[in-house]
Amino acid sequence: DQQVKQNSPSLSVQEGRISILNCDYTNSMFDYFLWYKKYPAEGPTFLISISSIKDKNEDGRFTVFLNKSAKHLSLHIVPSQPGDSAVYFCAASAGGTDSWGKFQFGAGTQVVVTP
Amino acid sequence: KAGVTQTPRYLIKTRGQQVTLSCSPISGHRSVSWYQQTPGQGLQFLFEYFSETQRNKGNFPGRFSGRQFSNSRSEMNVSTLELGDSALYLCASSWTGGTSYEQFFGPGTRLTVL
Repeated sequence: DQQVKQNSPSLSVQEGRISILNCDYTNSMFDYFLWYKKYPAEGPTFLISISSIKDKNEDGRFTVFLNKSAKHLSLHIVPSQPGDSAVYFCAASAGGTDSWGKFQFGAGTQVVVTP
Repeated sequence: KAGVTQTPRYLIKTRGQQVTLSCSPISGHRSVSWYQQTPGQGLQFLFEYFSETQRNKGNFPGRFSGRQFSNSRSEMNVSTLELGDSALYLCASSWTGGTSYEQFFGPGTRLTVL
């Protein structure tokens, strides 16, 4: 049962433009969300997080938006750079002891930034 | 501060064998989680340890087990390996494993079962 979905397996964007990655979830108990970037042969690298009490969080070129009513979050990267070419995962966790140390991950979106 | 380390990085085993993977968390982190990453299933949660106790477990068979030592280092073991166990095994550490803390991942151990 895939509770976190990234419906776009790939995204191609020109250098300097905005990259928008989307993520949908089904579990209304999820209250904390993370985005990770992953290069081949490396573990995922944490990018940015957002808790359900917010609808936006910014960190440099990265902004995450959360729409709780739509159970949807998105990651905006502005401007996109060649080094941003990687697989991006969104992850979600619910409150409570059942979720200790446990995040549900989406399948990932491969981003390719072209010159 | 050193990141999460995992050993070995690559491993080749045959069906029926067992394997032990090791993870050293970031200094001061007490929670260690393990994930299996396969092309078809993405990252799947295996289990989480905190202060030497397993607090949470995913939907994997009993062949998958783990433990955590007093220095927070963790090991996972897979017995009676099957071809489908071929995957990238990732461990992640955090301060407490609570639901509002980021997890920091190691580079993973690539297990190939022949």
